[in-house]
Amino acid sequence: GAVVSQHPSRVICKSGTSVKIECRSLDFQATTMFWYRQFPKKSLMLMATSNEGSKATYEQGVEKDKFLINHASLTLSTLTVTSAHPEDSSFYICSAMDRYNEQFFGPGTRLTVL
Amino acid sequence: EDQVTQSPEALRLQEGESSSLNCSYTVSGLRGLFWYRQDPGKGPEFLFTLYSAGEEKEKERLKATLTKKESFLHITAPKPEDSATYLCAVLPMDSSYKLIFGSGTRLLVRP
Repeated sequence: GAVVSQHPSRVICKSGTSVKIECRSLDFQATTMFWYRQFPKKSLMLMATSNEGSKATYEQGVEKDKFLINHASLTLSTLTVTSAHPEDSSFYICSAMDRYNEQFFGPGTRLTVL
Repeated sequence: EDQVTQSPEALRLQEGESSSLNCSYTVSGLRGLFWYRQDPGKGPEFLFTLYSAGEEKEKERLKATLTKKESFLHITAPKPEDSATYLCAVLPMDSSYKLIFGSGTRLLVRP
């Protein structure tokens, strides 16, 4: 089956620093990847759509300058949380879409901002 | 407006007690309906894709069905390891390829 990895799985950082999260599709190419945020016991909230070779499309209310997305290749998208603050602490999950429009999710990254 | 509603919110079963989870949807055009399983602290795990009414798919103790208005995830003789949150999502026919998720059903199977 299709496998998506995320790195790191957990990160703790100080307020004001930037954190980069990587999302890789390991056995298929993904023109489109998605970044989600999930709060405890809640469903996934889409943050942005990442398209290879073009600018990401952000959902309403998501700050483009705070959550920088780069999709440099067909197997890699990165999310950088800039100048992180405690309210950015959350569980971030990426997904990659295959050629059949099926989305496969990564294992998630737990971000804690102190 | 495209919408997905899952019921029940939570379900407790005894091991071996079969049941069904419901996913009702309204969408202008359906490209596909997806079922995922999510364990605490992990990303959703892909289970099934259904594309058209009448379609059915099975995997071990799980069977997913689809009509024009809803999908069911049938769990036959569940085991404790089936305990998880089950998410339903639809992919509309528009060009965004964004999934619309339900709020999930939390399943607990007791030994």
